[in-house]
Amino acid sequence: EPEVTQTPSHQVTQMGQEVILRCVPISNHLYFYWYRQILGQKVEFLVSFYNNEISEKSEIFDDQFSVERPDGSNFTLKIRSTKLEDSAMYFCASSADSYGYTFGSGTRLTVV
Amino acid sequence: QKEVEQNSGPLSVPEGAIASLNCTYSDRGSQSFFWYRQYSGKSPELIMFIYSNGDKEDGRFTAQLNKASQYVSLLIRDSQPSDSATYLCALEAGRRALTFGSGTRLQVQP
Repeated sequence: EPEVTQTPSHQVTQMGQEVILRCVPISNHLYFYWYRQILGQKVEFLVSFYNNEISEKSEIFDDQFSVERPDGSNFTLKIRSTKLEDSAMYFCASSADSYGYTFGSGTRLTVV
Repeated sequence: QKEVEQNSGPLSVPEGAIASLNCTYSDRGSQSFFWYRQYSGKSPELIMFIYSNGDKEDGRFTAQLNKASQYVSLLIRDSQPSDSATYLCALEAGRRALTFGSGTRLQVQP
């Protein structure tokens, strides 16, 4: 069964450092997303991406965040200057249509 | 603002029983509704989606939607210990971004 692949599975970074989280969506999917889940809290939408541009973003997705699809397979989330409160599980997802997101296994980001 | 409310639980049912999970939402413009299962430390896994009023069945799972009451539910028949997880209700209001509830923790007792 096709799956969304995320790397790394766990990243520890110092406050103020830049991190890049990587995702390989399912190959025939056209819509890509990033969500995050702070420990014990809700899954929160960050950004959606379609046709090589951001189609929607949440209030969380401020100037510190950016996304990129550098080639035909990867989809990345960059956090420019990490803060302690960025510590969370970050999930990439992709979909072919509105009725079935597939989530990756996630990257646990720990900011120290 | 879209809000999705779920009872955090835990909801405890004996093995073989029917588990009933409920979700209410505030945005009348919501069009599609999803139930995800999330095991501890894992990513959400889609169980079902529903967008029309009424019931939708898939194996042991039945989703029910009542747009007038702004209410979605998930029934799990013949509950198994492996069904023990957190069940997340989510909605999409036409823009593809999902708004999730905080989830209901289900415990199925052997």
